[in-house]
Amino acid sequence: YVLTQPPSVSVAPGQTARITCGGPSIETIAVNWYQQKPGQAPVLVIYSDGDRPSGIPERFSGSNSGNTASLAISGVEAGDEADYYCQVSGGSGGPRFFGGGTKLTVL
Amino acid sequence: QVQLVESGGGVVQPGRSLRLSCAASGLTFSDSYMHWVRQPPGKGLEWVAFISKDGQTKRYADSAVGRFIVSRDNSKNTLYLQINSLTVGDTAVYYCATDGEAGSLDYWGQGTLVTVSS
Repeated sequence: YVLTQPPSVSVAPGQTARITCGGPSIETIAVNWYQQKPGQAPVLVIYSDGDRPSGIPERFSGSNSGNTASLAISGVEAGDEADYYCQVSGGSGGPRFFGGGTKLTVL
Repeated sequence: QVQLVESGGGVVQPGRSLRLSCAASGLTFSDSYMHWVRQPPGKGLEWVAFISKDGQTKRYADSAVGRFIVSRDNSKNTLYLQINSLTVGDTAVYYCATDGEAGSLDYWGQGTLVTVSS
């Protein structure tokens, strides 16, 4: 299952960043999102399209409709600068598929 | 809190084998499905393997079939990844991760770097 993300997104501090993840009929699959800062392991920021794990700020939200899932980060801060990956599952015990990643730059 | 600590990486020659370990704490390891994910330098994330709680069910990425073996020892709270016939293309940071809701990977280790070079 191929997931398509834009290579880069730029946003000014305080604005809302939106990162898309495209895939055929992706709305029928739960989408998860990860944040990865340089030299660090990925961190789960959104699961099941729009749920936030404990400790993730409310500024992070997700949606999924049609052929596109999206991660939105409101009130962007310098500390949000990172690579973001979308991911879906190929079923219980099945493979996990990642998008190519999007580098978020805070201007 | 959940802690996953990978080890076993290093510089290895092409054609050799390596076994990576992932020591888990802060969770009931025997109740946890586990994954391996790798990331080549400067590139994206690639799922590698999955293992069920009891170790009976294993799944591999196409790139891992035939050369990678995932296993676990629940008595030691440890996950393993054996990589045989290493190639330059296996150079990557290897992460272990726990299986979470909606097919997510909710906890990750810090990773261990495998460099395949002659």
